[in-house]
Amino acid sequence: GENVEQHPSTLSVQEGDSAVIKCTYSDSASNYFPWYKQELGKGPQLIIDIRSNVGEKKDQRIAVTLNKTAKHFSLHITETQPEDSAVYFCAASSNNDMRFGAGTRLTVKP
Amino acid sequence: DGGITQSPKYLFRKEGQNVTLSCEQNLNHDAMYWYRQDPGQGLRLIYYSQIVNDFQKGDIAEGYSVSREKKESFPLTVTSAQKNPTAFYLCASSIDTGTNTEAFFGQGTRLTVV
Repeated sequence: GENVEQHPSTLSVQEGDSAVIKCTYSDSASNYFPWYKQELGKGPQLIIDIRSNVGEKKDQRIAVTLNKTAKHFSLHITETQPEDSAVYFCAASSNNDMRFGAGTRLTVKP
Repeated sequence: DGGITQSPKYLFRKEGQNVTLSCEQNLNHDAMYWYRQDPGQGLRLIYYSQIVNDFQKGDIAEGYSVSREKKESFPLTVTSAQKNPTAFYLCASSIDTGTNTEAFFGQGTRLTVV
C-alpha cells in the first residue's frame, strides 16, 4: 500500500517569511495529492490540492509542486502570518484510498 | 447546511466496554472513512467504505468494526479488543469512487478510556 513521509515534523518561522513542507510517496498509482490544515481540536480542512497531470498549482500565498518522477510534492506558504500556525498534513490518494503524512506543526512567530 | 457530523465530541468509557462513534453526512458522498489520530503519528486509516453495504480494512483495523447500512451513515465501534483505544477519531467522506476528490472531515471525537 501507499506510504507517505512528511518533513519536517515541526517548523518555526518569523512572520513574513516563507515556509516549505515536503512529502514523498511510494505508490506510483497515486494521482491526487491534497494538503490539509488542522487547527487545535478540529478536523482537517483542505487548503490546496494537485493532480498528477499538473506540476504546480498556486492559490494566493499557497502553492504546491509535484514531481511524479521523484514521487515527491511540496507545500509552499509565502508571507506567513500568525494565523497560518497549525498542523499541516499532506496526503496521496489512489482510487480514494487516501493515506496521510505524519503532519508538520507550523508556528509563525509575530 | 451540507456537511459531515461526528458525535459526540468527547466520550469517556470504562476499559472493557464497547463504544460506538457516530458519523453522518448529508453531502450525498459515496465514500466514507475513519481515521485515528495520535500525537506525532498523523492520521492512520482504520476502515473505509466506497459504497453502501461494503467496506474495507485500513492499516489499523484490529479491535474496530464498522457498518454501512445507509449511504449517509458510517458508525465505528471500538471494541474491548482494541488495546489502546484512547485517541482522537476523525470521520471523512468524499464524493465518489471513480475519481480522486477532496475528503471532507468531521470535527472529530475524542475518546478517553479510563
